[in-house]
Amino acid sequence: AQTVTQSQPEMSVQEAETVTLSCTYDTSESNYYLFWYKQPPSRQMILVIRQEAYKQQNATENRFSVNFQKAAKSFSLKISDSQLGDTAMYFCAFMKRPQGGSEKLVFGKGTKLTVNP
Amino acid sequence: DGGITQSPKYLFRKEGQNVTLSCEQNLNHDAMYWYRQDPGQGLRLIYYSQIVNDFQKGDIAEGYSVSREKKESFPLTVTSAQKNPTAFYLCASSLLGVSKETQYFGPGTRLLVL
Repeated sequence: AQTVTQSQPEMSVQEAETVTLSCTYDTSESNYYLFWYKQPPSRQMILVIRQEAYKQQNATENRFSVNFQKAAKSFSLKISDSQLGDTAMYFCAFMKRPQGGSEKLVFGKGTKLTVNP
Repeated sequence: DGGITQSPKYLFRKEGQNVTLSCEQNLNHDAMYWYRQDPGQGLRLIYYSQIVNDFQKGDIAEGYSVSREKKESFPLTVTSAQKNPTAFYLCASSLLGVSKETQYFGPGTRLLVL
């Protein structure tokens, strides 16, 4: 079974600064996807970024980038130029690469990020 | 606008009562999912469906039932057998196919027991 661990229950950052959220996972699979989702106070789960394990290049999406270390099973999220609207719970999630069907997402417990003005 | 809708936003259940949560998507996605979120926890999978009239149990299916009569709709019934139903319920959907399986979520339904 896969597990996802987010070791930082809460973090804070000043507006315009950079913050990194940590995520480690455990799996015996070689083909999989990793995701970061954001859950603001509205509680809607919003996709931030996605990484395919077979790709060595780290994914980026505007101010959001990841540091994917496959051997270390680490998948951290870096938020640059933090904005007040980035305040949210951030969840790291793992998915086995489906074989013709669908697979579940396995979530960590989340990191609560607060961006201070 | 394409998206996933869930209703109601809040739902109250009395003891012994079955309640149904609605999930509809107009994204033409093949697969649909139900997750449960408890305070301080990540999401856990209840049921999922890849095709009409077919669905599979997730990790915590006991006390829940689903149906998939239309591609667009995947309602979840919380039965009286679910002894601790208070939680936030999120519906998701995705395409099927290599590199297309990203799951997108609806706004959620908060279920409370009276």
